[in-house]
Amino acid sequence: AQTVTQSQPEMSVQEAETVTLSCTYDTSESDYYLFWYKQPPSRQMILVIRQEAYKQQNATENRFSVNFQKAAKSFSLKISDSQLGDAAMYFCAYRSFRGSQGNLIFGKGTKLSVKP
Amino acid sequence: DTEVTQTPKHLVMGMTNKKSLKCEQHMGHRAMYWYKQKAKKPPELMFVYSYEKLSINESVPSRFSPECPNSSLLNLHLHALQPEDSALYLCASSHAGGAPSSYNEQFFGPGTRLTVL
Repeated sequence: AQTVTQSQPEMSVQEAETVTLSCTYDTSESDYYLFWYKQPPSRQMILVIRQEAYKQQNATENRFSVNFQKAAKSFSLKISDSQLGDAAMYFCAYRSFRGSQGNLIFGKGTKLSVKP
Repeated sequence: DTEVTQTPKHLVMGMTNKKSLKCEQHMGHRAMYWYKQKAKKPPELMFVYSYEKLSINESVPSRFSPECPNSSLLNLHLHALQPEDSALYLCASSHAGGAPSSYNEQFFGPGTRLTVL
C-alpha cells in the first residue's frame, strides 16, 4: 500500500521569504501522480500544483514549484515570495496511475504560518 | 464552471435525527467522492461513485448512506449519528476512467460542518 509522509507538522515563514515543505512517499508503482493541496482556514481544499511521475521536469505554478526526486521518492513544495494569503494547511497527496477512480492518499499535512 | 457546491454549510443534529448533505457539480465529472475530515487531520475517504454507481465504500458505518441520483448530484443521508461523527464533510469530483493526466485533479467543495449533539 502507498503511504505519504509529511514530517513537518508546522512551519513558519516571513512574508516575502521562501519556504520549502517536505513530502516523501512510498510506492512500488512506477507511474503515479503527486499533488499539493492547500486548505486555508476558510476550509476549501484547493489544488496548488501537480506532478506526473513520468515527467522529469519539475512542475511550476507561478510562485509555487516542486522538487520531484523520483528515486528518492521525495516531492517537496517551494513557495517563493511568501504572502499572507499563503497561510494554510498544505497536504501532499498521491494518486495511482492505474484504477478508474482518482483516489487520493493524503499526508498528515503541514500548517504554514506567514509572519508579516 | 469549476465549482463544487455543498449544502448546508453548517448542520447541527441530534442522535435521533435524519438529515441529508447535498453536493453538486456541473463540470461533467463522472466520479464523485465523500470525505470526512476531523480538525487538523487530512481528509478520510468514505465513498466513491463512478458513473453514478458506488464503487468504493471504505467500511463506513451504515448510519451514513450515500446516493448519486444523477451525474451532477451526490447526497449523503445521515441517520442515528454519534457525537464522534461530528466533522467537516467534504465532497469532491473528478473525471473518471483512464483520462489523460490533465484530468486527474479532484475539485473539492467547501464542506459541511456537522455537529452531532
